[in-house]
Amino acid sequence: LAKTTQPISMDSYEGQEVNITCSHNNIATNDYITWYQQFPSQGPRFIIQGYKTKVTNEVASLFIPADRKSSTLSLPRVSLSDTAVYYCLVGDITSGTYKYIFGTGTRLKVLA
Amino acid sequence: DVKVTQSSRYLVKRTGEKVFLECVQDMDHENMFWYRQDPGLGLRLIYFSYDVKMKEKGDIPEGYSVSREKKERFSLILESASTNQTSMYLCASYGGQGAPNQPQHFGDGTRLSIL
Repeated sequence: LAKTTQPISMDSYEGQEVNITCSHNNIATNDYITWYQQFPSQGPRFIIQGYKTKVTNEVASLFIPADRKSSTLSLPRVSLSDTAVYYCLVGDITSGTYKYIFGTGTRLKVLA
Repeated sequence: DVKVTQSSRYLVKRTGEKVFLECVQDMDHENMFWYRQDPGLGLRLIYFSYDVKMKEKGDIPEGYSVSREKKERFSLILESASTNQTSMYLCASYGGQGAPNQPQHFGDGTRLSIL
């Protein structure tokens, strides 16, 4: 089964770049890597998704090395409002049907 | 914008009760999911459905069942609630059959307490 591993928590200061890495050693050939952000008392919200190399959108970048066994979410110039839990997600189709395996999440705290 | 609505934000029930959690999405999505979220364990998949009347077990289906009679509605049922089912329950959906890499859209969760 594909499984993701992330750091439990990270602290950063406002204005810094934050990089959160996720390991997914058993990622399947067709799997995409997706990152979500979750605030307290809310459901996770989609941030970014990628398959390989680099993807960038208006809020984040996602770096995926050639072997795809890890990925790094990069948040440029974080603010206090980026304090949240971040999850990486890969699909898993080893059982024949597609399943989603969430990691345990990384709790990011942005300090003033 | 996709909206996934869970019927209750907070729910308190007693041990042994049959509990229904309801989820409705307004984007005609084929795929719907139920997760539970516990501290230190992240999100764990209970059941999912990729079409009306279809269902698949996730990682932790024991003690739960689901119902999908209409495309927009996916219900999670706790047949006989127990205290270890106290948790945050999250519903999600995405559209497109055979397109598992589409991002999931989540509701804001139901915090269920079993006394």
